[in-house]
Amino acid sequence: QSALTQPASVSGSPGQSITISCTGTSSDVGSYTLVSWYQQNPGKVPKLMIYEGSKRPSGVSNRFSGSKSGNTASLTISGLQAEDEADYYCCSYAGASTPWVFGGGTKLTVL
Amino acid sequence: QVQLQESGPGLVKPSQTLSLTCTVSGGSISSGRYYWSWIRQPAGKGLEWIGRIYTDGTTNYNPSLKSRLTISLDTSKNQISLRLSSVTAADTAVYYCAREVLAMAAATDWGQGTLVTVSS
Repeated sequence: QSALTQPASVSGSPGQSITISCTGTSSDVGSYTLVSWYQQNPGKVPKLMIYEGSKRPSGVSNRFSGSKSGNTASLTISGLQAEDEADYYCCSYAGASTPWVFGGGTKLTVL
Repeated sequence: QVQLQESGPGLVKPSQTLSLTCTVSGGSISSGRYYWSWIRQPAGKGLEWIGRIYTDGTTNYNPSLKSRLTISLDTSKNQISLRLSSVTAADTAVYYCAREVLAMAAATDWGQGTLVTVSS
């Protein structure tokens, strides 16, 4: 079970849109729509932002959206705000015996 | 609203067993709607899924930890336990317990995390 691949860092200016990729394999991201995304601020607990690839939990801004193509899932944040600066982790279902695998995380900097 | 609170020793010696408890309040761990998971995060590094348990006791473990890992439930105390044997410095991390909603296939609720350091 290998970690999903995310860029170490991305950046954008307020108001812009950014996309964070999450690349897996045909055994995880490629086979299931069950990709979730978590936001983690320094010293804080991860917060669920996207589940089942593209669904937002109640209370999460519609500026956050998720998608998938092949073995790669993506998180897009539109209308970037300073408060979006955080680490973001993707997580994919990888089968019944070993259900979950995380990405290495991406640090988002709002310039 | 459900709350999860991890507890256990903050310092464990190498080769010993790390034992943590997650106490759940505001909801029953016997509910069939959830899995109860453990996730860890070494300082400055990413999240690693450790394993999970369902209300019927069924477990799933990270293959890299499976030989050393036991996750169990104590429904009388509404607690989930983690035991990781033969620890090394590589097991030093913040350990989180989390509630995974079956219908969402994602962890919606997390404990605050507890730092466990493996050192002599």
